[in-house]
Amino acid sequence: AQRVTQPEKLLSVFKGAPVELKCNYSYSGSPELFWYVQYSRQRLQLLLRHISRESIKGFTADLNKGETSFHLKKPFAQEEDSAMYYCALRRSNYQLIWGAGTKLIIKP
Amino acid sequence: DAGVTQSPTHLIKTRGQQVTLRCSPKSGHDTVSWYQQALGQGPQFIFQYYEEEERQRGNFPDRFSGHQFPNYSSELNVNALLLGDSALYLCASSLHVDGETQYFGPGTRLLVL
Repeated sequence: AQRVTQPEKLLSVFKGAPVELKCNYSYSGSPELFWYVQYSRQRLQLLLRHISRESIKGFTADLNKGETSFHLKKPFAQEEDSAMYYCALRRSNYQLIWGAGTKLIIKP
Repeated sequence: DAGVTQSPTHLIKTRGQQVTLRCSPKSGHDTVSWYQQALGQGPQFIFQYYEEEERQRGNFPDRFSGHQFPNYSSELNVNALLLGDSALYLCASSLHVDGETQYFGPGTRLLVL
């Protein structure tokens, strides 16, 4: 079955600490993976995509096909990183399959 | 550019009723996708419209239908509402069906009593 799993519903870290939001996927084809973010009272927006291998707001994510993972990382958390984070997989027919999301809280 | 807009923002209906939700895509976008997001869950793909036709459909019953107009705006219709249809309905637009980035609207929160 094609599935995206975000095992943590809630992750709370202190400001300045490293952050890792986990995402695992199950997909038989060649996956395209994305991280979307939703800040408080804002709409869902794209954070980054694996294909571009970019760093956005200090976040990076590496696709590990062996472990079927696409974890989101940031070395030093900032308070403005507090938000809801969703991992999504794009199927070959361009449909997005979403994880349930992880709420990240950065404590001062 | 206001980006993707949706109306109404909130809606309360009773079981068995019908509802229509509306979406205007981001300027320049021609493809609209609809998602249902239940509380505590990620979005679930309902369907996608391009060139006024339904191009892709997720695992939703026929009670869920849609339409796309020549100006690329779109409607989501849900008939015979069930309590379980209570959710946030998100509209997203992209440039063509294979557009990598989807731009989301603020959503319509539907409550079915």
